[in-house]
Amino acid sequence: NAGVTQTPKFRVLKTGQSMTLLCAQDMNHEYMYWYRQDPGMGLRLIHYSVGEGTTAKGEVPDGYNVSRLKKQNFLLGLESAAPSQTSVYFCASRVGPPDEQFFGPGTRLTVL
Amino acid sequence: EDKVVQSPLSLVVHEGDTVTLNCSYEVTNFRSLLWYKQEKKAPTFLFMLTSSGIEKKSGRLSSILDKKELFSILNITATQTGDSAVYLCAVAGGTSYGKLTFGQGTILTVHP
Repeated sequence: NAGVTQTPKFRVLKTGQSMTLLCAQDMNHEYMYWYRQDPGMGLRLIHYSVGEGTTAKGEVPDGYNVSRLKKQNFLLGLESAAPSQTSVYFCASRVGPPDEQFFGPGTRLTVL
Repeated sequence: EDKVVQSPLSLVVHEGDTVTLNCSYEVTNFRSLLWYKQEKKAPTFLFMLTSSGIEKKSGRLSSILDKKELFSILNITATQTGDSAVYLCAVAGGTSYGKLTFGQGTILTVHP
C-alpha cells in the first residue's frame, strides 16, 4: 500500500514551458486535492476533485488546470509556467468524512 | 473568508523542555481542527478535534480545542530532537468537499 505518490519529485522549468504533475493514490479515496506551499504562507488549495471526472477551483487556481480521468489519479498542469509558480506542490486524498487528508511527498518546482 | 493563525512562527528549545503551540481560527460552520507534523516532506496527521472530541493525547503530545474562544493548543512534553519539525494547524469548515484552511505553521527546533 503506497498511499499517495507524486511524480516528479523535482523539476526546473523555464518561463513559458509547460508540465504536468501526477498524483496517484491506491486507497480508493473519492476526494483529491492539490496544494502549494510557499514560505510563511502555509498550504493553499489550488484545485480539488470530489470524484472521478469532477474537478473544481480552490483558492489559488489561476495558471493551473487539473484532470481526474481515473479515480486513482489527479493531474495538475501548468500551461505556461511563471516564476511566481515556484513552489512545493502537495497532493492529498481523503476517503470522505472524517476530514483527515493524506499527503504525498511533494514536488519541488522551480521556474526560472 | 476562513482564517487560521498560528503562533509562535518559530520556537527553539532544548531537549526535555515542554512547548505549547497555538492555533486560532475563524471559519464558517466549523467542523474540525487538525494538527499535522511536517518533517521536510509530506505533512503527517497527528490529531483531529471536533465538537465531540475536544481533547486528544498520544504519548508526549496532547491537544485541546476551545470552541468558544476559537483556538487550539498543541502541547509537547519532554521534547526530543526528533520533534523538530513544522507543525501545521488546519481547520475544516462546513463545505462538503472537505476543504482545509491551513495556518502558516510553527517551526520547532529542539537542540540536544
